[in-house]
Amino acid sequence: QKEVEQNSGPLSVPEGAIASLNCTYSDRGSQSFFWYRQYSGKSPELIMFIYSNGDKEDGRFTAQLNKASQYVSLLIRDSQPSDSATYLCAVKGSGGGADGLTFGKGTHLIIQP
Amino acid sequence: ETGVTQSPTHLIKTRGQQVTLRCSSQSGHNTVSWYQQALGQGPQFIFQYYREEENGRGNFPPRFSGLQFPNYSSELNVNALELDDSALYLCASSNDRARGANVLTFGAGSRLTVL
Repeated sequence: QKEVEQNSGPLSVPEGAIASLNCTYSDRGSQSFFWYRQYSGKSPELIMFIYSNGDKEDGRFTAQLNKASQYVSLLIRDSQPSDSATYLCAVKGSGGGADGLTFGKGTHLIIQP
Repeated sequence: ETGVTQSPTHLIKTRGQQVTLRCSSQSGHNTVSWYQQALGQGPQFIFQYYREEENGRGNFPPRFSGLQFPNYSSELNVNALELDDSALYLCASSNDRARGANVLTFGAGSRLTVL
């Protein structure tokens, strides 16, 4: 059973600070890792994906992957109130091309003005 | 470029009934997958369609079935509805031939309530 674990929060961060979101996964053969943002009542929207160990930066967002530790994180710099949402970590497992994504339950992030 | 569209947006059914949800994939995308998201949970993979055939399935019973049409649009059918089927049903499309083939674009979802 493939599992993706996230702290459900809420994680409260002051405006302008760095928000750090973490995720661990159980399938050691996983190849692709995704962060989605979901506002209440809306569908998930992709923030970033990462395939290789290390850091990947896109604007205020940085994804970090450590396959040895089976750990993925998302850093949000200069946090804004509009960043308040649930952040879903998703993993593409080693089961082949038609294997769907396994999502965590999400971390609820609150940016305090 | 049109995004993923789903219909209906909301619907209410009673236990034992059947429901069909529809999805039009994003332009240029050839793969459609469906996810179920219960309240407070992450999306769970139901199945994926490519070239009009189901080529991947999650841990869902056979009463969850689907179709993909030549224009890549798709339907999700659920028979013998149960109370626990109440959820947001998300359709996602992707392009298996593109770099980043596993990147999903989600539709707005269909919220199903089973009474």
